[in-house]
Amino acid sequence: EIVLTQSPGTLSLSPGEGATLSCRASQSVSSGYFAWYQHKPGQAPRLLIYDTSRRATGIPDRFTGGGSGTDFTLTISRLEPEDFAVYFCQHYGSSPTFGQGTRLEIK
Amino acid sequence: QVTLKESGPVLVKPTETLTLTCTVSGFSFSNARMGVSWIRQPPGKALEWLGNIYSSDGESYSTALKSRLTISKDTSKSQVVLTLTNVDPLDTATYFCARIDRWLGDFDYWGLGILVTVSS
Repeated sequence: EIVLTQSPGTLSLSPGEGATLSCRASQSVSSGYFAWYQHKPGQAPRLLIYDTSRRATGIPDRFTGGGSGTDFTLTISRLEPEDFAVYFCQHYGSSPTFGQGTRLEIK
Repeated sequence: QVTLKESGPVLVKPTETLTLTCTVSGFSFSNARMGVSWIRQPPGKALEWLGNIYSSDGESYSTALKSRLTISKDTSKSQVVLTLTNVDPLDTATYFCARIDRWLGDFDYWGLGILVTVSS
């Protein structure tokens, strides 16, 4: 089973700054089945990025996904107050697996 | 508008059977591309995929839970049911249902989740 490890565990930044979140797979994976989600307390998780770099419907262009092989990133440019949340990555292989999440908090 | 909503007990005793229902709207169970998954998140831990059900080719389950888990659907009620037998305190988690797109391998709509505690 592929293990996804996200870093950092917590990221403290200020609105307006940029953020880079990382997700490393324990072995090379197909970039065609890699996604990122945003999760806020009391809300349903929200799909942000699918197919490594394609934004889901309604996701602003300040969210950018990229990567290949074992290393994938989610970049958020110009953080807005509503961007502070938990982010997790996901790969769809023989069975779907998730990273443990990165908490993006206001500094 | 696609929506999913989990319902069921919030407290279950060890060794009992947990039954959760996911009520969906806004998409058809007959859509061969889309299915419904159950995913859980124990407190402070990562999300764990439990299983899927599709309209045409049945169910698939996590290897770790396959012996205790059943996912079924009632198309007439637009519901997907999770049944987990012989629960243990380690099964304490927030349980989510989500729509899965098998072509893209992602979960494009999720429910809010339901926190289930296993305790005597």
